[in-house]
Amino acid sequence: QQQVKQSPQSLIVQKGGISIINCAYENTAFDYFPWYQQFPGKGPALLIAIRPDVSEKKEGRFTISFNKSAKQFSLHIMDSQPGDSATYFCAASMGNTDKLIFGTGTRLQVFP
Amino acid sequence: ETGVTQTPRHLVMGMTNKKSLKCEQHLGHNAMYWYKQSAKKPLELMFVYSLEERVENNSVPSRFSPECPNSSHLFLHLHTLQPEDSALYLCASSQDPGISYNEQFFGPGTRLTVL
Repeated sequence: QQQVKQSPQSLIVQKGGISIINCAYENTAFDYFPWYQQFPGKGPALLIAIRPDVSEKKEGRFTISFNKSAKQFSLHIMDSQPGDSATYFCAASMGNTDKLIFGTGTRLQVFP
Repeated sequence: ETGVTQTPRHLVMGMTNKKSLKCEQHLGHNAMYWYKQSAKKPLELMFVYSLEERVENNSVPSRFSPECPNSSHLFLHLHTLQPEDSALYLCASSQDPGISYNEQFFGPGTRLTVL
């Protein structure tokens, strides 16, 4: 019940295309859903996050779509660029703790 | 130095060695964390320190021993490790522990290889 399932494991997208990464969770007590981006040789860094009172959050080319009834959320990267090539992790946590439950990660490669 | 720094960046050790990983945060945060990152696995939270007090220990084997001498420094002491302990060890810090909307800032990690 504490797991966050992430797919796909890897993703190859052409420059300018849309990258979509999906996550699903079971625990309905989760109330914070961040996405972290990790470049080789670096630690993960917060990219964008959403709370379940909204269905979508957009920051530049990055959008989180959230479906509370389906217990799913996804990251959309519009106009994908080679500089977006990285590993992306979804995560979830609940109100009285900052313990993040991470997905297994998606390695995104964007080719010119 | 800014953000969260970790030393060493790479470490190779034998199963009988004793070594320590160091983390320092320059953000004035109140909580620090150790994570283990293995290939194709979720990041695993190992330890959480809030205001220098350990508040979480996720069933980590005793061969891993954390130490938090002050709010800016965190150590992970290693002894008699196993080859399966080879992984990237990440340190993180955050401002407000105990609430979920609390961004964690990660260091670059220490790549540990146990021979």
